[in-house]
Amino acid sequence: EVQLLESGGGLEQPGGSLRLSCAASGFTFSSYAMSWARQAPGKGLEWVSSLSGSGDNTYYADSVKGRFTISRDNSRNTLSLQMNSLGAEDTAVYYCAKSSYDYVWGTIDYWGQGTLVTVSS
Amino acid sequence: QSVLTQPPSASGTPGQRVTISCSGSSSNIGSNYLYWCQLLPGTAPKLLIYRNNQRPSGVPGRFSGSKSGTSASLAISGLRSEDEADYYCAAWDDSLSGWVFGGGTKLTVL
Repeated sequence: EVQLLESGGGLEQPGGSLRLSCAASGFTFSSYAMSWARQAPGKGLEWVSSLSGSGDNTYYADSVKGRFTISRDNSRNTLSLQMNSLGAEDTAVYYCAKSSYDYVWGTIDYWGQGTLVTVSS
Repeated sequence: QSVLTQPPSASGTPGQRVTISCSGSSSNIGSNYLYWCQLLPGTAPKLLIYRNNQRPSGVPGRFSGSKSGTSASLAISGLRSEDEADYYCAAWDDSLSGWVFGGGTKLTVL
């Protein structure tokens, strides 16, 4: 059974940093692209970032480019999102998601339950 | 402002058929597969339809998807109370090199 468990969310001040993690199990982690998406309070889903199974190819939404870094540790089956220069607009539930292929534009077939990030002073 | 356009709300009574539309452009829906997912409060998003009209195992046949040109739709027949949720369409956008979502449609079962 595929399981994606996010962690690392919490309250952070504007300008601060947070690192989110996603522990994956139930599939061969290195064979599949992974993504992060978010949902701000009262808003819709927004794609944040994706990377290929090897981690060599990364993609970012314009809203986070230059501030967020996606990475993966295939030896530990873990996906990460380093978030710097946080602003109030980054307040959201962040979801980890799995693709059904090694390429990032493949079907996103599983999602985690999400972790809440709140940016506020 | 979402790249894909969905109606903010839809409703129906139990047993009815409801459709939710999703419109985009040539760089997303027009050239790539369209996906639908369901969000229930406090739960993980769930894939409902992939590759325009395919249902993952476990998704009831009451859910169906279609795509034509730069538009797509999700149909739910035999509406049930447990279908009350938020529905999102999504596609890869070649111009943006990223995923784009619709703004979401809140389905109410009256």
